[in-house]
Amino acid sequence: QKEVEQNSGPLSVPEGAIASLNCTYSDRGSQSFFWYRQYSGKSPELIMFIYSNGDKEDGRFTAQLNKASQYVSLLIRDSQPSDSATYLCALLSGGYNKLIFGAGTRLAVHP
Amino acid sequence: KAGVTQTPRYLIKTRGQQVTLSCSPISGHRSVSWYQQTPGQGLQFLFEYFSETQRNKGNFPGRFSGRQFSNSRSEMNVSTLELGDSALYLCASSLSTGPTDTQYFGPGTRLTVL
Repeated sequence: QKEVEQNSGPLSVPEGAIASLNCTYSDRGSQSFFWYRQYSGKSPELIMFIYSNGDKEDGRFTAQLNKASQYVSLLIRDSQPSDSATYLCALLSGGYNKLIFGAGTRLAVHP
Repeated sequence: KAGVTQTPRYLIKTRGQQVTLSCSPISGHRSVSWYQQTPGQGLQFLFEYFSETQRNKGNFPGRFSGRQFSNSRSEMNVSTLELGDSALYLCASSLSTGPTDTQYFGPGTRLTVL
C-alpha cells in the first residue's frame, strides 16, 4: 500500500463548479499535510497546509482533514480554467522536512 | 523576497558522466530538501540539509549525494549517470521551525541522460 493515495483523474468540472480532490494516507501518526498545485512543465506551488482536524479555508480553497479516517481533501470553489493543473497531496514523514507525495490528481476545468 | 533558485535549468549528459546541480534557498531559510520527479515514480525525497548537515535521506543509491554550504546554498551530485536518472530535480527550502514548517520549491533542473 502506498503511503499517500490519490485518484489520478482526470477530474473534469465545469467552470464555476466545486472541485473536490481527495487523498488518503496510511501512517496514522502523520501530523502535517500539504496541498501543492503543479502546472505542466512547472514546479509545485504550495496552496495550503493543514495540521488540525476539521476545515481550513483560504480564499476559494478549503482543506479538510479527518485523522480518524486518514483522509485529506481539497475543495476548490468557483473553479476557473486557470485551476487546471495537477494537485499533489503530501504529508510530512518522520520529521526533518521529508515530504511524501501522492501521485497527484489532474484537474481539468472546462468553460 | 526572491524565491528558490536552481541552476542550471536544463542539462543533457551521457551515461557514466557525473553532474552537479545547485540550489539557493529563500533568504533566511536554512533547510534545503531535494526531490526527484519522474513520470513513473512521481515526486520522491532525496535528502535534506540544515546547517551544513544532512539530517534526512531518502531511499536512493549512494551515487546521489549532496552538501550544504555555510550560506545555506546546496548542491547535489549524481555520479555514474544512468538513463533512469533522467528526471526533474527539485529543491525546496524552509525555515525548518518544526512539523508546521512549509517547503517552497524552486523551478527545478531538468536532467536528460542519453
